[in-house]
Amino acid sequence: SQTIHQWPATLVQPVGSPLSLECTVEGTSNPNLYWYRQAAGRGLQLLFYSVGIGQISSEVPQNLSASRPQDRQFILSSKKLLLSDSGFYLCAWGLWGSPKQETQYFGPGTRLLVL
Amino acid sequence: QQQVKQSPQSLIVQKGGIPIINCAYENTAFDYFPWYQQFPGKGPALLIAIRPDVSEKKEGRFTISFNKSAKQFSLHIMDSQPGDSATYFCAASLGGKLIFGQGTELSVKP
Repeated sequence: SQTIHQWPATLVQPVGSPLSLECTVEGTSNPNLYWYRQAAGRGLQLLFYSVGIGQISSEVPQNLSASRPQDRQFILSSKKLLLSDSGFYLCAWGLWGSPKQETQYFGPGTRLLVL
Repeated sequence: QQQVKQSPQSLIVQKGGIPIINCAYENTAFDYFPWYQQFPGKGPALLIAIRPDVSEKKEGRFTISFNKSAKQFSLHIMDSQPGDSATYFCAASLGGKLIFGQGTELSVKP
């Protein structure tokens, strides 16, 4: 069965510091991978998605970037965090284009607080 | 055109009641409509999903009703329980991307 991991679970960072959040998926190959941000427990905003290694699409211009160095690894980064980067970051995977297309499965999330 | 509008924002029902959450969309190219359930501090979990060629789908106590002509779909929870208290999101899929509604916070009172 497929499993998605995110770490860390929680993170408190000062303004201006760098960020690296990691997401890995087990039990599937060539998944689509997604990063979402959720503010105040509501409203998932798609930040980035990737259909393959090195292929990143950005949905919202912002202070963040994403990379996919391996098939089942997705990383969210920032060089300098802003207060507005605080939120709940969710990674998801899906198999769009296969018989189980469109469905996305979410990880446990990372709670980021920028102070 | 890419929006999915969800209502109500919050909902309180008694145990055994049937909460109904509604969603509406504009883009007729959407071709898959999932519902997610999220508990505080957790990632959303897929609850049930439907395609536009089906008018209703049931899984256990959860039912999706889909009205293609009205571009609306809704989630019904039969015999609701306090354990169903969570935030529910509808979504619509286009080209591998999901567009989410703003969520409904459901509270089921014992």
